[in-house]
Amino acid sequence: GQNIDQPTEMTATEGAIVQINCTYQTSGFNGLFWYQQHAGEAPTFLSYNVLDGLEEKGRFSSFLSRSKGYSYLLLKELQMKDSASYLCAVMDSNYQLIWGAGTKLIIKP
Amino acid sequence: GAVVSQHPSWVICKSGTSVKIECRSLDFQATTMFWYRQFPKQSLMLMATSNEGSKATYEQGVEKDKFLINHASLTLSTLTVTSAHPEDSSFYICSARDRGRGLEDTGELFFGEGSRLTVL
Repeated sequence: GQNIDQPTEMTATEGAIVQINCTYQTSGFNGLFWYQQHAGEAPTFLSYNVLDGLEEKGRFSSFLSRSKGYSYLLLKELQMKDSASYLCAVMDSNYQLIWGAGTKLIIKP
Repeated sequence: GAVVSQHPSWVICKSGTSVKIECRSLDFQATTMFWYRQFPKQSLMLMATSNEGSKATYEQGVEKDKFLINHASLTLSTLTVTSAHPEDSSFYICSARDRGRGLEDTGELFFGEGSRLTVL
């Protein structure tokens, strides 16, 4: 079956760096997405990786290793507003998005 | 950027009534829209894929007669929850793929704001 694994919850300190991991097993691969979702709101797009390597976008970076079925989202200079759930999603060979359960990130002052 | 508008944001209804949720793409044409349901502390669950001018494709376990989807134009898809029951209470979210800008280019789906349904 298809499976996306990511930690349920993580805690970090304001100003620090946090890495959220995601491992996947899917039928085919057409890219991996990271979304941010604040409580009660719709997800917002953060990043898209389809080739191996690191994609940097401001304070957020996303890494992909297709051979390992692994990705991480790196958040630097954490701010209180970064407290949210971070969803990892993989597009399979049918161009269907397979979603992880999300990682709830708690930022402490 | 592209905007997807979803309405209503909140709806409370009595058990047995029907509720319609609208999803509109405001500045692009969406041949395909997706409807998701999200229960508290759980991930997004795809309910169905809505294609303009044709029948929706439902995911396994989703009742077609209960969750009616209509995609009559390139900018509007509607989800009707028929004979709603308390177990249908959930957060419903739509998303749309920009016809002129495929995922291969931007890797981005555009989401509506979501609709929180509470069935009493």
